[in-house]
Amino acid sequence: DAKTTQPNSMESNEEEPVHLPCNHSTISGTDYIHWYRQLPSQGPEYVIHGLTSNVNNRMASLAIAEDRKSSTLILHRATLRDAAVYYCILFGNYGQNFVFGPGTRLSVLP
Amino acid sequence: GAGVSQTPSNKVTEKGKYVELRCDPISGHTALYWYRQSLGQGPEFLIYFQGTGAADDSGLPNDRFFAVRPEGSVSTLKIQRTERGDSAVYLCASRGGSYNEQFFGPGTRLTVL
Repeated sequence: DAKTTQPNSMESNEEEPVHLPCNHSTISGTDYIHWYRQLPSQGPEYVIHGLTSNVNNRMASLAIAEDRKSSTLILHRATLRDAAVYYCILFGNYGQNFVFGPGTRLSVLP
Repeated sequence: GAGVSQTPSNKVTEKGKYVELRCDPISGHTALYWYRQSLGQGPEFLIYFQGTGAADDSGLPNDRFFAVRPEGSVSTLKIQRTERGDSAVYLCASRGGSYNEQFFGPGTRLTVL
């Protein structure tokens, strides 16, 4: 399984942008980059995913490097509710399971 | 609409006992996944169903763990002769169609004393 590396933890101030990095140097051409987050005492929830182009949705933006060996999840204005563990996952084949790493624990300070 | 539900939310059992954990996926979702999450770690894949059949059970740690999905909807994860090391949160997720997003349930916290 292709692996990702993320910082263990990050901190942000409320209402400021947050850039969460992910390295995936062994990504293959068919791997999609997925981001999930897990709030305390809940199951993970989908945030965003992409293949080659940058992606935007109501929750976040995903910036993918041109060589696809890294990506950045961007929260434009962090809120206290965004405090969670963020997972970057590569997903290659239809039906394949997700391989979660330890993720990045994001703390948001008021 | 209703999301993925899991019952019970908490289960405390004694070492050596048998437990069953239930997952109700989103209606119509053909793919169902079980994961296990220990404290401070990301979820760890256990088994994946496509319809009624287990398409990938490579994550089951040993033969004490077994899962079924007889009618292609509800799934049950069964653990025999539980051990203290089985204590974890067991997560279920479902996926529908060709879109890759997985929808996770809240999990069942299993404690083996």
